[in-house]
Amino acid sequence: EVQLVESGGGLIRPGGSLRLSCAVSGFSVSTEYMIWVRQAPGKGLEWVSVIDSGGRTSYADSVKGRFTISRDDSKNTLYLQMNSLRVEDTALYYCAREIKSVGADHWGQGTLVTVSS
Amino acid sequence: DIVMTQSPDSLAVSLGERATINCKSSQSVLYNSINKNYLAWYQQKPGQPPKLLIYWASTRESGVPDRFSGSGSGTDFTLTISSLQAEDVAVYYCQQHYNTPRTFGQGTNLEIK
Repeated sequence: EVQLVESGGGLIRPGGSLRLSCAVSGFSVSTEYMIWVRQAPGKGLEWVSVIDSGGRTSYADSVKGRFTISRDDSKNTLYLQMNSLRVEDTALYYCAREIKSVGADHWGQGTLVTVSS
Repeated sequence: DIVMTQSPDSLAVSLGERATINCKSSQSVLYNSINKNYLAWYQQKPGQPPKLLIYWASTRESGVPDRFSGSGSGTDFTLTISSLQAEDVAVYYCQQHYNTPRTFGQGTNLEIK
């Protein structure tokens, strides 16, 4: 059974850093495209980042230079390192598996990040 | 970046009636070499993550009821629910997979009239 479980969210002050984790079971993160998508409270979905099977990464302009996506194949875990956090980064962060050119077919339940002073 | 614009923002339809949601992209998402539109539709119910409904603009994901259908090509796409059921109340999003960033539409909130 495929499962994705996010963790690492919490309350953080503006300018702070946080690392989100997404523990995966049922498939190998090393062979798939993995993404992070966020959703601000009461708002729509915003694509954040992708890492492909070759380790190539891409980011939304809103997080470029501040966020870093990575994975640990030995732990079958996806990460999102978030630095220089801003109030507008407050959101529920989802990890998901993306089938290239198809869409995200498996999602976690999300982890909430609140950036506030 | 490709901008995805959905219409309407919200929609109220009677049970058993047809619901239609539109999605327009700011540039074509048709991959000509394989004649596939890199356009997906998702359903998000309250308190749940999104669920993939349709990909390549018109291919239903496994397990998705056949009352859901997608159509369109290039820049204009439509999600149709042929006979609305109570469990279809949700927010629906389109997303392009043509390039990065993989942008979403703003969402359409579907309710029962």
